[in-house]
Amino acid sequence: NAGVTQTPKFQVLKTGQSMTLQCAQDMNHEYMSWYRQDPGMGLRLIHYSVGAGITDQGEVPNGYNVSRSTTEDFPLRLLSAAPSQTSVYFCASSYSNKGVYEQYFGPGTRLTVT
Amino acid sequence: GENVEQHPSTLSVQEGDSAVIKCTYSDSASNYFPWYKQELGKRPQLIIDIRSNVGEKKDQRIAVTLNKTAKHFSLHITETQPEDSAVYFCAASTGGNNRLAFGKGNQVVVIP
Repeated sequence: NAGVTQTPKFQVLKTGQSMTLQCAQDMNHEYMSWYRQDPGMGLRLIHYSVGAGITDQGEVPNGYNVSRSTTEDFPLRLLSAAPSQTSVYFCASSYSNKGVYEQYFGPGTRLTVT
Repeated sequence: GENVEQHPSTLSVQEGDSAVIKCTYSDSASNYFPWYKQELGKRPQLIIDIRSNVGEKKDQRIAVTLNKTAKHFSLHITETQPEDSAVYFCAASTGGNNRLAFGKGNQVVVIP
């Protein structure tokens, strides 16, 4: 299994540009999440999905859109990039193990917005 | 929602000594408490977790303790080695909604 994969690894955008960060998992996990990591801030939840066709907002959803058309894929879209979205983005997938959800992280995408 | 406090700080220990990191949480309904280790430039990786029906869990040199009354939990690393140097994140979840709330992380530096 490849686990959780993310593309691209690095990206530089200009303010106002749009792009999609890709995330895929091959473990048939029902749950997927997007986090951003900023220095001194830990990991903050952007959006999450409990299954295909179902998404919900996390702690910091503004400026980001998601969709979940398949179990495997959970792309994150930035419609109009802003310097405040400069961050490292991690996708995670999880499954229920007796009522709790053990999360597995992808390798991350480092995004810089100039 | 859940709020997990883990003050950003650096913990320096001599190789072979023990390291302890503490976290507090706010939601008494939280029932799952994982710890993640993140090496520089890498993804967070789960190293140990504990559920609310257990007070302590060990896995070789690492252990986690949970005090539900005080709403805090701790990571204990014994016989520290240079490869233990990393940032450690605690998290908490109520389980039913798959949402993890993370602390801000502790940098552990093991001095050879």
